[in-house]
Amino acid sequence: DAKTTQPPSMDCAEGRAANLPCNHSTISGNEYVYWYRQIHSQGPQYIIHGLKNNETNEMASLIITEDRKSSTLILPHATLRDTAVYYCIVRAGGTSYGKLTFGQGTILTVHP
Amino acid sequence: GAGVSQSPRYKVAKRGQDVALRCDPISGHVSLFWYQQALGQGPEFLTYFQNEAQLDKSGLPSDRFFAERPEGSVSTLKIQRTQQEDSAVYLCASSADTLQIANSNQPQHFGDGTRLSIL
Repeated sequence: DAKTTQPPSMDCAEGRAANLPCNHSTISGNEYVYWYRQIHSQGPQYIIHGLKNNETNEMASLIITEDRKSSTLILPHATLRDTAVYYCIVRAGGTSYGKLTFGQGTILTVHP
Repeated sequence: GAGVSQSPRYKVAKRGQDVALRCDPISGHVSLFWYQQALGQGPEFLTYFQNEAQLDKSGLPSDRFFAERPEGSVSTLKIQRTQQEDSAVYLCASSADTLQIANSNQPQHFGDGTRLSIL
């Protein structure tokens, strides 16, 4: 699976949008971009995933560049409960069973 | 809600003891994964099951680690002769992905893990 690069930490004010970047310059054609987050003492929580089109769900939006070498996770109105470690993961698609390779992630701190 | 359930939530054992960690996946999920998370690190893959078949155990750190899923639902991760470096959070995840469906790409859903401390 392709490696990803994320900033180690970011801050965001409550109520503002949080934009978390991720570089995955070696991504291949059948690999998906997944985002998970992990709040202290809990297991990773699935947020969103996409292949090449932008995606939106009730939690977040995922913007993938046209060349697919980078993506941005957007939390439109961050709350204090969004403080967590956010992991960007590239996962093989097709018939691969898709084990996840986690990096260090980005520690997002939402402050009042 | 019927999420992934892991037990016990915390386990303390003395060095040299055997431990067994249980995972109840989401009902009907074919795929089951075990991960190990050391303090301050991201989770690392240990092993994968599709139904009762263990298709990948490349991440198991030694032959002291053993996992099973005999009926294709509940899974147990067993660690024999525990050592202090085995102290970590052990996470289980399940998904509806199957190898028979190309591009199914279903997300993995995680339990809250078992925190294992070896004294």
